[in-house]
Amino acid sequence: QKEVEQDPGPLSVPEGAIVSLNCTYSNSAFQYFMWYRQYSRKGPELLMYTYSSGNKEDGRFTAQVDKSSKYISLFIRDSQPSDSATYLCAVYSSASKIIFGSGTRLSIRP
Amino acid sequence: KAGVTQTPRYLIKTRGQQVTLSCSPISGHRSVSWYQQTPGQGLQFLFEYFSETQRNKGNFPGRFSGRQFSNSRSEMNVSTLELGDSALYLCASSPDTGGVYNEQFFGPGTRLTVL
Repeated sequence: QKEVEQDPGPLSVPEGAIVSLNCTYSNSAFQYFMWYRQYSRKGPELLMYTYSSGNKEDGRFTAQVDKSSKYISLFIRDSQPSDSATYLCAVYSSASKIIFGSGTRLSIRP
Repeated sequence: KAGVTQTPRYLIKTRGQQVTLSCSPISGHRSVSWYQQTPGQGLQFLFEYFSETQRNKGNFPGRFSGRQFSNSRSEMNVSTLELGDSALYLCASSPDTGGVYNEQFFGPGTRLTVL
């Protein structure tokens, strides 16, 4: 079993829709939870990170962590074609360092 | 501030050859990490260097090695290339200010194809 599981997609939604991306993890020792966005032919860029359970909002993006269920989510409101990319969740602990999910390919249809 | 740069961007090699990839971190960043990204395995951690010393290592064979220079620039080497080494190799730098978590900034990667 992988330490971080992420549905690879692809996921295709119409412009303006709310997108929900999800990951599960297995080790309760993970302390930080991140979402990265990777455009084609580019390296990943950090979108958001959070330390505790709950929600963190940044513009159209909301990251949600439920430590009791070991479940992390990223919501994108009012999705735009420019949001089309691969989204990677990641978890971090001082012991195991950073572990990435396999990534979900997202396409927003105009 | 310039971002992380990696050279070359694309590389084609044949089985059995060796390859060296280069990474220049963001100015002032002392930590450099290397990752391998493939469609099947996703993004996997290779190793991390800090102040010219390998600080962490992932689960890759000894054919994968790296080093860091005094100016924080880093190189990774893969010897005796195999077809399965075809991947995007990403370098990430971090300021490593001493906290538990330090944001990593990724370069565009080097696309290695092994024939």
